Amino acid sequence: DAGITQSPRHKVTETGTPVTLRCHQTENHRYMYWYRQDPGHGLRLIHYSYGVKDTDKGEVSDGYSVSRSKTEDFLLTLESATSSQTSVYFCAISGAGGRYEQYFGPGTRLTVT
Amino acid sequence: AQSVTQLGSHVSVSEGALVLLRCNYSSSVPPYLFWYVQYPNQGLQLLLKYTTGATLVKGINGFEAEFKKSETSFHLTKPSAHMSDAAEYFCAVSDLGANSKLTFGKGITLSVRP
Repeated sequence: DAGITQSPRHKVTETGTPVTLRCHQTENHRYMYWYRQDPGHGLRLIHYSYGVKDTDKGEVSDGYSVSRSKTEDFLLTLESATSSQTSVYFCAISGAGGRYEQYFGPGTRLTVT
Repeated sequence: AQSVTQLGSHVSVSEGALVLLRCNYSSSVPPYLFWYVQYPNQGLQLLLKYTTGATLVKGINGFEAEFKKSETSFHLTKPSAHMSDAAEYFCAVSDLGANSKLTFGKGITLSVRP
């Protein structure tokens, strides 16, 4: 299994509070991705990174920010959590874009009350 | 922009029956195509992928898929379903760009009846 961990695995937070999710990899892969998974929507890309300090938006980036200060860590921050951000969040990594598969972490279940 | 359509949200088959999960894509250029499987409370795991070459692709756990450009399809099949195949299956498409990203379908839940 690819060495990807996500923390925390479960979190309950209140509306309006900031939340940071962490993705850590031991594979030295260049690309890292954050997705959210919601019933009926599949996986939707929030943000991705193609190198240290190089990030870009995905299709559902509003309300989220990311940072990548070193190869192994990719942080996702909800600046002010809302109930619509209740979801399961997955991190993925890839050695390259395009034809190369992505390897997924175990997910973080976030509930915003 | 590319997109993926997985018709239906749930498929139920009997153990030992053929599994057929449909995937159609929309892309302006020949894409890369993937099938992922997700077991309950786990992340996604790659089943198989098509990039170039042979259009019939074999994956893990006895699954295979055939890329049909004329039909813009990449349907997933398995000759004989097993109880352990019960999971959610996602089709995904990627374009050829250097920083290209995956676009996922909404997923299909496969149930296997004893």
